[in-house]
Amino acid sequence: DGGITQSPKYLFRKEGQNVTLSCEQNLNHDAMYWYRQDPGQGLRLIYYSQIVNDFQKGDIAEGYSVSREKKESFPLTVTSAQKNPTAFYLCASSSDRGLHSGNTIYFGEGSWLTVV
Amino acid sequence: AQKVTQAQTEISVVEKEDVTLDCVYETRDTTYYLFWYKQPPSGELVFLIRRNSFDEQNEISGRYSWNFQKSTSSFNFTITASQVVDSAVYFCALSEANAGNNRKLIWGLGTSLAVNP
Repeated sequence: DGGITQSPKYLFRKEGQNVTLSCEQNLNHDAMYWYRQDPGQGLRLIYYSQIVNDFQKGDIAEGYSVSREKKESFPLTVTSAQKNPTAFYLCASSSDRGLHSGNTIYFGEGSWLTVV
Repeated sequence: AQKVTQAQTEISVVEKEDVTLDCVYETRDTTYYLFWYKQPPSGELVFLIRRNSFDEQNEISGRYSWNFQKSTSSFNFTITASQVVDSAVYFCALSEANAGNNRKLIWGLGTSLAVNP
């Protein structure tokens, strides 16, 4: 089945540790995104990538890092520099990487990260 | 500045009632796109509809319908004969064409809908 796969679904991290959230898509989409969702705050963009080997910071990139070595993969690392990492993380993708916006963004099932 | 407002934080209805979720947006662009997504308790955001600013026709898909009115900058979502499975958080979002790419998707804060049996 085509779609976006995120893993793990639930992850616990000790303070001071880095963790990496996986995101894989088989939709042949060029653009991929990472969003963070906190209760009552909607979705906030962390990083996005429009093409392999290129990515851009979103609105809340501090404390996070990404890579885009393959078209289908866009892992997110939550570093120890992220002061409040407990949240729900959503990976997404869309087919457009050109100048025209408006193409639909499709989402994975999300990953819950809890700092213990 | 671009903005999406979903004034209803929580709505509770009884099964089979009709319910309308409001979405009001602000943009300076003449070309833009509006979206609705559903987020069930499992967490995944499910795409429901995309509408461009030049298409003001209302859309109906089964029990779901959308009313797009540029005059009031609103893109409201109605569920007819609601069911328990409709219980979810619903998000409205705006994308401006001149922003260059989808990273400029502006999200509302969502409306939590509870449909009770």
